Amino acid sequence: HLQLQESGPGLVKPSETLSLTCTVSGGSISSSNYYWGWIRQPPGKGLEWIGEIYYSGSTYYNPSLKSRVTISVDTSKNQFSLNLSSVTAADTAFYYCARVSGMLDIWGQGTLVTVSS
Amino acid sequence: QSALTQPPSASGSPGQSVTISCTGTSSDVGDYDYVSWYQQHPGKAPKLMIYEVSKRPSGVPDRFSGSKSGNTASLTVSGLQAEDEADYYCSSYAGSNNFVFGTGTKVTVL
Repeated sequence: HLQLQESGPGLVKPSETLSLTCTVSGGSISSSNYYWGWIRQPPGKGLEWIGEIYYSGSTYYNPSLKSRVTISVDTSKNQFSLNLSSVTAADTAFYYCARVSGMLDIWGQGTLVTVSS
Repeated sequence: QSALTQPPSASGSPGQSVTISCTGTSSDVGDYDYVSWYQQHPGKAPKLMIYEVSKRPSGVPDRFSGSKSGNTASLTVSGLQAEDEADYYCSSYAGSNNFVFGTGTKVTVL
């Protein structure tokens, strides 16, 4: 069955770029039926949609984060990635990747990224 | 896009029912039938419980049901069980390949 797993540094310095990768296993990221998305959740707070990507490379971002977000895909590795630039303490959160098709039906376990010097 | 509005908390005794509302606008909940609900236990990733307003994924008990009227969607949990105690989030498609989440509701089983 399909599984998603986030990976990347757990600590990022202010003003630097947060980079995470989501590895898809048990299925192909190149499926025509799905997009692949990123969501975040500050500790103790609610969920926030970051954006999504199609296997072809088409991307769509939350307007409130658009200026700092880049999502990319590597179909050869069955992975997609998130870059968030110029981070501040407000970007400290659990970051989740998920499969998207009008709903988010499969989620990764999430990874905590702390922004601190 | 603003977060959808949910009550901060809801509660019920075992066996009772609890209903959680999710209020959006005519640009999200009111315009699309892509409303979904997620259950999140402490320290865990969210789990899809309802999609497309009222459909249940395989494996989700039929105690969970969803509905929508105008700009407000609702999740009802009938026959409350201890394991239903969790945070619940609604989500709606908001156009242009964007989604918006609700503010979250903590459900307590008394």
